[in-house]
Amino acid sequence: DGGITQSPKYLFRKEGQNVTLSCEQNLNHDAMYWYRQDPGQGLRLIYYSQIVNDFQKGDIAEGYSVSREKKESFPLTVTSAQKNPTAFYLCASTLSPALEPFFGQGTRLTVV
Amino acid sequence: DAKTTQPNSMESNEEEPVHLPCNHSTISGTDYIHWYRQLPSQGPEYVIHGLTSNVNNRMASLAIAEDRKSSTLILHRATLRDAAVYYCILSSTNAGGTSYGKLTFGQGTILTVHP
Repeated sequence: DGGITQSPKYLFRKEGQNVTLSCEQNLNHDAMYWYRQDPGQGLRLIYYSQIVNDFQKGDIAEGYSVSREKKESFPLTVTSAQKNPTAFYLCASTLSPALEPFFGQGTRLTVV
Repeated sequence: DAKTTQPNSMESNEEEPVHLPCNHSTISGTDYIHWYRQLPSQGPEYVIHGLTSNVNNRMASLAIAEDRKSSTLILHRATLRDAAVYYCILSSTNAGGTSYGKLTFGQGTILTVHP
């Protein structure tokens, strides 16, 4: 079945360590997105990519980095520069603005 | 960038209709309106989407104002399983309307359904 896979579902890291969250899709979608969600709040855009080898900063890109070397993969690295990295991270992809975006099931990152 | 505004919370009784509003006064002509809902610790689930005309599917109806500055998600008969956070999302295109840009989320409306 086609879809988006985020792994792992839960991730724990020590403060000061970089960590990479995986997002893979087999939907042949060009556009992919990373969002952050904090308890009781909506989704905020971190980065998005419209095509391979190209990506743009979203509203809260500081302390994060991404790459888009393959169409199906859009990993997000949470760096030690991110002040409050503990959050729920969601990845999405879409084929066209006229079609609904697909979302992964999220990764809950806890930094201790 | 276009913005969306939703009420923080709404309540309904089971079996009654629910109308969830969303304001998007700065929407551009090529932005699509999507509605999703989310349960705790899960990814958002697609509900419905449209551009200009009203839309119906098995889950809900979407009523889009003639000027497109607002829309309303209609759940015809609320059930306990409809209790969730509902998001109104704009799918923006680039300046030429030929390619996708941002997905802009509202803050979401927490829907409580009473038995």
